[in-house]
Amino acid sequence: GIQVEQSPPDLILQEGANSTLRCNFSDSVNNLQWFHQNPWGQLINLFYIPSGTKQNGRLSATTVATERYSLLYISSSQTTDSGVYFCAVAGGTSYGKLTFGQGTILTVHP
Amino acid sequence: EAQVTQNPRYLITVTGKKLTVTCSQNMNHEYMSWYRQDPGLGLRQIYYSMNVEVTDKGDVPEGYKVSRKEKRNFPLILESPSPNQTSLYFCASSPTGGFYTFGSGTRLTVV
Repeated sequence: GIQVEQSPPDLILQEGANSTLRCNFSDSVNNLQWFHQNPWGQLINLFYIPSGTKQNGRLSATTVATERYSLLYISSSQTTDSGVYFCAVAGGTSYGKLTFGQGTILTVHP
Repeated sequence: EAQVTQNPRYLITVTGKKLTVTCSQNMNHEYMSWYRQDPGLGLRQIYYSMNVEVTDKGDVPEGYKVSRKEKRNFPLILESPSPNQTSLYFCASSPTGGFYTFGSGTRLTVV
């Protein structure tokens, strides 16, 4: 199956800083999503982005499918951005079968 | 409000006592899935369903059953729970297998 690798595993920031999270995947994908798991355990879908670039407020994401990676940008980080960020992909005929990366743990200090 | 509802949120049970975790979505989504989340192992898919009466195994289906008799419901059944099924469980749904919405999670402890 598809392998998903996220980096960095941990990231500590001061409020207001910018950051870039990376997701590498081992095969072509037809589905790629970024999620935020908040400290209460809820999983929030941030982007559905199998290719291209999208922006939503302070967050944006870019997927370069031909090079098998995706980036999540967080600008002007806030303490509420803390949590774990997951990348999840599906490929081939397994459109609904998401494989998750191990996540990036983000801590934003005031 | 569009949402995926799981019940219960928390459950402590004993080994071997059959249990069902319910999942319901009100968005008329075709796709539904179950995941479990464990420290160090991340999120792994248990089962998924592409439509009514169409289900398929994920990465860790052993010890679980599912059914999809109606589009809105996708219950997860543990016929004989064991301590290694202690985990945080998530149900999710999607209109086309793309953008998934997740439920709030069910924290299950099997003693």
